[in-house]
Amino acid sequence: KQEVTQIPAALSVPEGENLVLNCSFTDSAIYNLQWFRQDPGKGLTSLLLIQSSQREQTSGRLNASLDKSSGRSTLYIAASQPGDSATYLCAVSRDYKLSFGAGTTVTVRA
Amino acid sequence: EAGVTQFPSHSVIEKGQTVTLRCDPISGHDNLYWYRRVMGKEIKFLLHFVKESKQDESGMPNNRFLAERTGGTYSTLKVQPAELEDSGVYFCASSQAGVYRGLASNEQFFGPGTRLTVL
Repeated sequence: KQEVTQIPAALSVPEGENLVLNCSFTDSAIYNLQWFRQDPGKGLTSLLLIQSSQREQTSGRLNASLDKSSGRSTLYIAASQPGDSATYLCAVSRDYKLSFGAGTTVTVRA
Repeated sequence: EAGVTQFPSHSVIEKGQTVTLRCDPISGHDNLYWYRRVMGKEIKFLLHFVKESKQDESGMPNNRFLAERTGGTYSTLKVQPAELEDSGVYFCASSQAGVYRGLASNEQFFGPGTRLTVL
């Protein structure tokens, strides 16, 4: 059974600081890994998807790395802004269904 | 392009009643998924449709839950009869397996969820 862990559970940083969010998973036989953002009371917004054969993906200020052999992924958000405040979820998939971590709640202070 | 939509956004019902949740996937997406998050827990997979066929329903908690996807378009998830532990947020997602940045992909897009409260 796949277990996904996200550390830390919560993070508060001043505006402009870089964010580092961690995700670990127990079964390395994954198809892909997806990072999501969730705002309070809203649905999940897909940020980045990394295929199992890839090492990283980039989109704007976001960069996600994947080390499948060690069961880890890291999401970097450069030059954080108050608008980046949200809960960030990591999910891994095998056979289509996603297994989620509990998320990291980020607060960026102006 | 419209995203995944879900109806209703909130539902409050009494224990023992029936509730039906609806999901409209992104147009053209053959894959449709149901997930749910109960209080304090991670989001958990319920089931997966490919067009109108159930591909995987290993996450359905019990036979009080019935999902359908007639015609391979929208899907409904019925809970009958509802119990207190069914309270939570039910998410629907869709995907069209294809190519993303040159590689095979199954990126899933989520709806806003339906918050179900069973009293």
